[in-house]
Amino acid sequence: GQSLEQPSEVTAVEGAIVQINCTYQTSGFYGLSWYQQHDGGAPTFLSYNALDGLEETGRFSSFLSRSDSYGYLLLQELQMKDSASYFCAVRDPNYGGSQGNLIFGKGTKLSVKP
Amino acid sequence: EAQVTQNPRYLITVTGKKLTVTCSQNMNHEYMSWYRQDPGLGLRQIYYSMNVEVTDKGDVPEGYKVSRKEKRNFPLILESPSPNQTSLYFCASSLSGQGAYEQYFGPGTRLTVT
Repeated sequence: GQSLEQPSEVTAVEGAIVQINCTYQTSGFYGLSWYQQHDGGAPTFLSYNALDGLEETGRFSSFLSRSDSYGYLLLQELQMKDSASYFCAVRDPNYGGSQGNLIFGKGTKLSVKP
Repeated sequence: EAQVTQNPRYLITVTGKKLTVTCSQNMNHEYMSWYRQDPGLGLRQIYYSMNVEVTDKGDVPEGYKVSRKEKRNFPLILESPSPNQTSLYFCASSLSGQGAYEQYFGPGTRLTVT
């Protein structure tokens, strides 16, 4: 079946670098997205990788290896405000015989300590 | 301001009493979707709509109905709510359902069914 695996929790200190991994198992693949969600808030889009390689947006970077069914989100120069849950997501065009099903991982709770 | 709105934000109801959660977006997006979020289970897709009058089931559609009569609105209907539908619900929209366009999420509706 379809599944996305990511660590449930990660802890790091301010100023450090942290990497959140995501491995996926889907029959089809339109690309890997990352979303951030603060406690009590709505998910917000961070990045999208359709092709292999690294995409950089400010302090955040996202990487994809389609041959390994693997991606990661890299957060640099961590700040306290980065404490949140991070979700990877894949749209599988073959899932359920339709094109619109977006499958989310269960999320990684990142705690940034002073 | 581009946004997705949901109403109500909080709702406590009793088993079997029909309810509707409204969702509206002002970005002229084709694609809209409903998710539920439960602790430890992440975001799971309930229903989605690729465009007006086009809807399809997501991962957990049982007990829910949707309609898409206008492009901007995508209400979620619970005909006979049960306690296992107690959850945090998010509506989302994106420009298109093809590929992996950025999804914009509403603020969420916290539903409690007693």
